Amino acid sequence: QKEVEQDPGPLSVPEGAIVSLNCTYSNSAFQYFMWYRQYSRKGPELLMYTYSSGNKEDGRFTAQVDKSSKYISLFIRDSQPSDSATYLCAMSVPGANSKLTFGKGITLSVRP
Amino acid sequence: EAQVTQNPRYLITVTGKKLTVTCSQNMNHEYMSWYRQDPGLGLRQIYYSMNVEVTDKGDVPEGYKVSRKEKRNFPLILESPSPNQTSLYFCASNPGPNTGELFFGEGSRLTVL
Repeated sequence: QKEVEQDPGPLSVPEGAIVSLNCTYSNSAFQYFMWYRQYSRKGPELLMYTYSSGNKEDGRFTAQVDKSSKYISLFIRDSQPSDSATYLCAMSVPGANSKLTFGKGITLSVRP
Repeated sequence: EAQVTQNPRYLITVTGKKLTVTCSQNMNHEYMSWYRQDPGLGLRQIYYSMNVEVTDKGDVPEGYKVSRKEKRNFPLILESPSPNQTSLYFCASNPGPNTGELFFGEGSRLTVL
């Protein structure tokens, strides 16, 4: 079993839709949970960052972490064409020398 | 502007011809790392550095070397490139070990023929 599994996609939704992106993981030592967004021909950029379990909201984006189920989610409300990108979940163990373990990413397309 | 700069952005080379991908950051970050991104495999860490002259292997270090002689620079060296090193490479920096916020460069697409 891979350490981090992410729905492969791709995903296409109409503008204004609610988008749900998900990852599961197997390593119970993960404490930091991130979502990165990567536009075409660009490097990943941090979108959301959560420590341990719980929810975090930032504008149209909400990140959820359920450590008991080893499951994280990213919700995008009122999706916009500018949200079209690849979304990568990432996780790390405290003190783990900057090593993030990434999901493979899912490409989202928001149709106008 | 805070940034991580990689060069070259695109490179086509032949098997065995040594090459270096440079990386520089202007945020005074302690930590720097290299990742490669491959279809179906995602991003994987190659090497990381916690400070000047302190480097260590990541998950896929075979065929690569790094050095950290200055805080801002962290070059990736391929002594004898092979076709299986054809990939998209990202340099990243972050201020400390317990933060998930890595600042990535724009990537270097390498093709080894």
